[in-house]
Amino acid sequence: EVQLVESGGGLVQPGGSLRLSCVASGFTFSNFWMSWVRQAPGKGLEWVANIKQDGYEKYYADSVKGRFTISRNNAENALYLQMDSLRAEDTAVYYCARRIAGSATGGNFDNWGQGTLVTVSS
Amino acid sequence: QSVLTQPPSVSGAPGQRVTVSCTGSTSNIGKGYDVHWYQQLPGTAPKLLIYGNNNRPSGVPDRFSVSKSFTSASLAITGLQAEDEADYYCQSYDVGLRRWVFGGGTRLTVL
Repeated sequence: EVQLVESGGGLVQPGGSLRLSCVASGFTFSNFWMSWVRQAPGKGLEWVANIKQDGYEKYYADSVKGRFTISRNNAENALYLQMDSLRAEDTAVYYCARRIAGSATGGNFDNWGQGTLVTVSS
Repeated sequence: QSVLTQPPSVSGAPGQRVTVSCTGSTSNIGKGYDVHWYQQLPGTAPKLLIYGNNNRPSGVPDRFSVSKSFTSASLAITGLQAEDEADYYCQSYDVGLRRWVFGGGTRLTVL
């Protein structure tokens, strides 16, 4: 059974930093693209970032580009999201998701973690 | 404003059929990118419901089906059940924006 477990969320002040983690199990982690998707309170889903199997190809939403960094450790089946220069509008539940795609574009997110809440507030 | 447009809400009585529309453009659905659908039950994470051309993950009943027409797609739910009450999101890829896009979500209420 595929499992994705996020951690690292919490309350942080505007301008601060936070690092989210996602530990995967139940599948060969190194064979899959991975993603972060967020959901602001009471709002819809917003794609944040993707990372390729080898960690060298990464894509970011414009809203987080230059502030967030996605990375992975295949030896530890772990996905990360380093979030810097946080803003109030980054407040959301952040989901780790496995991406299914045959190429760098397109595809879907076939398994999701339970999410971790990030609150940016003074 | 979402790149993919969905109605905020739909409703239906048990046993009825409802549809949820997802309208995109020539940069995403009309460009040939697949549309995928997610179900989010209250207080839970989204779950992939249907991907591509009516492909259902294991465990998803065939009461759920999709159709696609040029720049739009539609999710149909037949034999509506109380447990279908949830938020539904469509998702695709936008080649102009170079990002993965979701619809704003549609809340299904079972009357």
